[in-house]
Amino acid sequence: KAGVTQTPRYLIKTRGQQVTLSCSPISGHRSVSWYQQTPGQGLQFLFEYFSETQRNKGNFPGRFSGRQFSNSRSEMNVSTLELGDSALYLCASSWGTVLPTSNEKLFFGSGTQLSVL
Amino acid sequence: TQLLEQSPQFLSIQEGENLTVYCNSSSVFSSLQWYRQEPGEGPVLLVTVVTGGEVKKLKRLTFQFGDARKDSSLHITAAQPGDTGLYLCAGAQIYDMRFGAGTRLTVKP
Repeated sequence: KAGVTQTPRYLIKTRGQQVTLSCSPISGHRSVSWYQQTPGQGLQFLFEYFSETQRNKGNFPGRFSGRQFSNSRSEMNVSTLELGDSALYLCASSWGTVLPTSNEKLFFGSGTQLSVL
Repeated sequence: TQLLEQSPQFLSIQEGENLTVYCNSSSVFSSLQWYRQEPGEGPVLLVTVVTGGEVKKLKRLTFQFGDARKDSSLHITAAQPGDTGLYLCAGAQIYDMRFGAGTRLTVKP
């Protein structure tokens, strides 16, 4: 059974540009959630999509957005990149929604390492 | 300030030693999860604890959820180099998923 696949693995952008990251969940999983991981702030929840609808959103500015397609694949977009957006972006898939109880077993991808210069 | 405070932040021990890492909060969580993350990889779920006072064992790892569901601990018996990694606790707050900053464990052979 294939795991969660994130592409690209590494990405280098400059300030002001936008970027789109992709996440393919485990087959059959309908929930995809996104996270930002930095040395300073640790792992932070960005948002969750379930059946093509955004169900929950963390405390991030509107520059961070996402969507989910009918095959459950998800994309995350960050517009007007800032230096502070440099981070490892992780996605995770699960059968059911992550929130509100976090009882679902999350399967994480290896992440996309984004560097903003 | 982290909603979930993990301690210690760093831990370096010799193979065969025992250790305990802690995850504390002033908030109540409906459940807590523990993950281990290795460099260049995403976190891997170790366990989910749901009931206050619950104890779960996974081979040499013992997880406990506090009675008030505000804190949790992870105890490793006879640590091995393969246990090296970043240990993260995580909990749901209705519409937000929160993670601790992690404990970076190094087990030396």
